[in-house]
Amino acid sequence: GAGVSQSPSNKVTEKGKDVELRCDPISGHTALYWYRQSLGQGLEFLIYFQGNSAPDKSGLPSDRFSAERTGGSVSTLTIQRTQQEDSAVYLCASSSGGAVEGGPRYEQFFGPGTRLTVL
Amino acid sequence: KQEVTQIPAALSVPEGENLVLNCSFTDSAIYNLQWFRQDPGKGLTSLLLIQSSQREQTSGRLNASLDKSSGRSTLYIAASQPGDSATYLCAARGTGRRALTFGSGTRLQVQP
Repeated sequence: GAGVSQSPSNKVTEKGKDVELRCDPISGHTALYWYRQSLGQGLEFLIYFQGNSAPDKSGLPSDRFSAERTGGSVSTLTIQRTQQEDSAVYLCASSSGGAVEGGPRYEQFFGPGTRLTVL
Repeated sequence: KQEVTQIPAALSVPEGENLVLNCSFTDSAIYNLQWFRQDPGKGLTSLLLIQSSQREQTSGRLNASLDKSSGRSTLYIAASQPGDSATYLCAARGTGRRALTFGSGTRLQVQP
């Protein structure tokens, strides 16, 4: 079956502009995660969605970053007033499993990422 | 706060060699640990997942072990091939926090 897809694959923008990154998780996966991979910081968690629960936003670096997940499927990560330090690869992942620990493996499957360059 | 460390940062071996990649984590309260492979310019490919109750998992030439008490995991690659060249990342999922905490990776080069 289809894996996690992300669009666009590459995005070049000017400092101060807003950008939207899209993630399509694996069908049936209830959990969706956004991570960021940059040279200086490695791979870091941004935000997590699980079903209809309130998202875990604890990894968002500033209030310029926001994300939503519509209909429990597609997610959009929005970065407002982009800065050069926002340049990174933004990775999306999804997993199956519910709110109760135990049983499901919660194995995360990643998309190919969106490479964001802020000039 | 969970911290994950991978040693070595880079490794170059001749084809056919067996090798071990190391991963250590500071908080033993993990739910599972995942090993990934990342090729240049690509996303992450899940290789193996070990639940906290398990000691090891095997897939083909790959074997991953987990020792929660010592905060360590190893990825063993048997009979390495040039196609194994990539960056290998380990990541721990906490019992409370759903997100993964990643190590910085080991960049592997297998020479033909």
